Amino acid sequence: DAKTTQPPSMDCAEGRAANLPCNHSTISGNEYVYWYRQIHSQGPQYIIHGLKNNETNEMASLIITEDRKSSTLILPHATLRDTAVYYCIVRAGGSQGNLIFGKGTKLSVKP
Amino acid sequence: NAGVMQNPRHLVRRRGQEARLRCSPMKGHSHVYWYRQLPEEGLKFMVYLQKENIIDESGMPKERFSAEFPKEGPSILRIQQVVRGDSAAYFCASSPGLAADTQYFGPGTRLTVL
Repeated sequence: DAKTTQPPSMDCAEGRAANLPCNHSTISGNEYVYWYRQIHSQGPQYIIHGLKNNETNEMASLIITEDRKSSTLILPHATLRDTAVYYCIVRAGGSQGNLIFGKGTKLSVKP
Repeated sequence: NAGVMQNPRHLVRRRGQEARLRCSPMKGHSHVYWYRQLPEEGLKFMVYLQKENIIDESGMPKERFSAEFPKEGPSILRIQQVVRGDSAAYFCASSPGLAADTQYFGPGTRLTVL
């Protein structure tokens, strides 16, 4: 699975959009981009995933560049409860193997 | 639809005792994964199981650790003769299998070894 690079930390004002970047320049054609988050010491929470098209669900939007070398997770209206560590993970489609968690981005949403 | 369930949520053991951690996957999920998170560190994969089979145990310590996922009942992660370094949060995830491969995590078991 390809390696990902994320900034270690970011701040966001409550009510504003949080844009979390991820670089995955060695991604292969059959690899998906997954996003999870971990709030404090809870279990990781699945957010969204995509292959090459932009995706949106009730939690977030995922924007993947045309060359697929980077992506951005967008939380449209961040709340204090969105404060968490966000993990960007690249993984082959249909793969039943393990997820490889990096250090992620610590997002702090401030009032 | 209940999510992934883990119990106990907190477990305290003295050095040398055994720890048994249980994981019940989401309904309809036949694949289970165990991860460990040491204090102030990221999650590390331990083992991947399907019913009655260990598929990948490349992340499991060679000694004292074992896992099973029987035909009936929850998946069990067993740690024999625990040491202080085993103190960590242990998370279980499950997935439906085949093409639908998103993993969903449980709340974790926090093991403290005294």
